[in-house]
Amino acid sequence: ELKVEQNPLFLSMQEGKNYTIYCNYSTTSDRLYWYRQDPGKSLESLFVLLSNGAVKQEGRLMASLDTKARLSTLHITAAVHDLSATYFCAVGANAGGTSYGKLTFGQGTILTVHP
Amino acid sequence: KAGVTQTPRYLIKTRGQQVTLSCSPISGHRSVSWYQQTPGQGLQFLFEYFSETQRNKGNFPGRFSGRQFSNSRSEMNVSTLELGDSALYLCASSGNQNRNIQYFGAGTRLSVL
Repeated sequence: ELKVEQNPLFLSMQEGKNYTIYCNYSTTSDRLYWYRQDPGKSLESLFVLLSNGAVKQEGRLMASLDTKARLSTLHITAAVHDLSATYFCAVGANAGGTSYGKLTFGQGTILTVHP
Repeated sequence: KAGVTQTPRYLIKTRGQQVTLSCSPISGHRSVSWYQQTPGQGLQFLFEYFSETQRNKGNFPGRFSGRQFSNSRSEMNVSTLELGDSALYLCASSGNQNRNIQYFGAGTRLSVL
């Protein structure tokens, strides 16, 4: 059974600082997703990582994937208050099958950015 | 292009009742997945449908069921509601052009009293 673990689960940051959220998963996969969720809202897609060594950046967020280590990271650079939200990683079944819609989510990291 | 539409947005039911939630995917998308989100269990996969066929089912009791219609709209049904079924139910759709990208709806928040 695929398990996905994020750490830390809670992250309190000062504006302007850098930090990294880690996402480990237990079985082979070639699809890794990062989502953002604001309180009471749905999931907003941030990144889709589909190959070993993939790196994607959008604004102050950068995500990477190491399929051999079964690890993805979400790096936050010079945090601002608007980044406060819950961040989820999710792992999909391998693309060779038909289970594109089945994602296994991590527990989520609650990020709070303080002035 | 319109996004994934879930109705209703909020629902209050009592224990023992049943409920039906609806999801209209993005136009042209044939794959629809459902997830349950609770504070205790997090986000858990319920089912996945493609072209009216259930392709995957998560680890939920038989009280949870779903279906997909020929226009790709999907419904999920929960019978004999329990307090623990209170959750945010999210639907996601993906298209053939890029099946790796899942678009989530705003969700239906179900409260069971």
